[in-house]
Amino acid sequence: DQQVKQNSPSLSVQEGRISILNCDYTNSMFDYFLWYKKYPAEGPTFLISISSIKDKNEDGRFTVFLNKSAKHLSLHIVPSQPGDSAVYFCAASWGGATNKLIFGTGTLLAVQP
Amino acid sequence: DTGVSQNPRHKITKRGQNVTFRCDPISEHNRLYWYRQTLGQGPEFLTYFQNEAQLEKSRLLSDRFSAERPKGSFSTLEIQRTEQGDSAMYLCASNPGFVPRPEAFFGQGTRLTVV
Repeated sequence: DQQVKQNSPSLSVQEGRISILNCDYTNSMFDYFLWYKKYPAEGPTFLISISSIKDKNEDGRFTVFLNKSAKHLSLHIVPSQPGDSAVYFCAASWGGATNKLIFGTGTLLAVQP
Repeated sequence: DTGVSQNPRHKITKRGQNVTFRCDPISEHNRLYWYRQTLGQGPEFLTYFQNEAQLEKSRLLSDRFSAERPKGSFSTLEIQRTEQGDSAMYLCASNPGFVPRPEAFFGQGTRLTVV
């Protein structure tokens, strides 16, 4: 049972434009959501997170939006740069003792110069 | 370098052999996690340590897998009698633990290939 879903395996965007990556989840107990970026042969790098009590969090070019009623979140990257080309993973946590993360399957973003 | 360090980066082994991976977390992070990532999937949780105590293990962690964190610092993950299905990227992550936030910082991973 995939509790965190990223339905778009890939996305291609022109440099300077907005990239929008989407993520859906099924478990209403999740209280924290995170985005990670991963280059080939490297571990995931933390980008940005959002608590379930908020609907928006912004950090520089990255903004995450959370729609709890739709169980949907999105990551906006503005403006997109070629160095943003990577796989982006959405992850969720329901806190508790471990704070373990449940990951989606990832979206490969290609930013064309 | 003060990030999470994993060794080795790559390991090729024959089926049936035992392998051991090491993870050095960020200094003073008391939470340590192991994840496994296979092609086309996101990382999947394997096990969690708070200091030296192993507090949770996934059903994915068969009895051929064992993990330790003897002094609450570095951790090892051992796989006994490796199988081809064990081929994956094994990722270690750490979290400070003193604030109730789940952001974990990952190492570069150990790529295991079982032939």
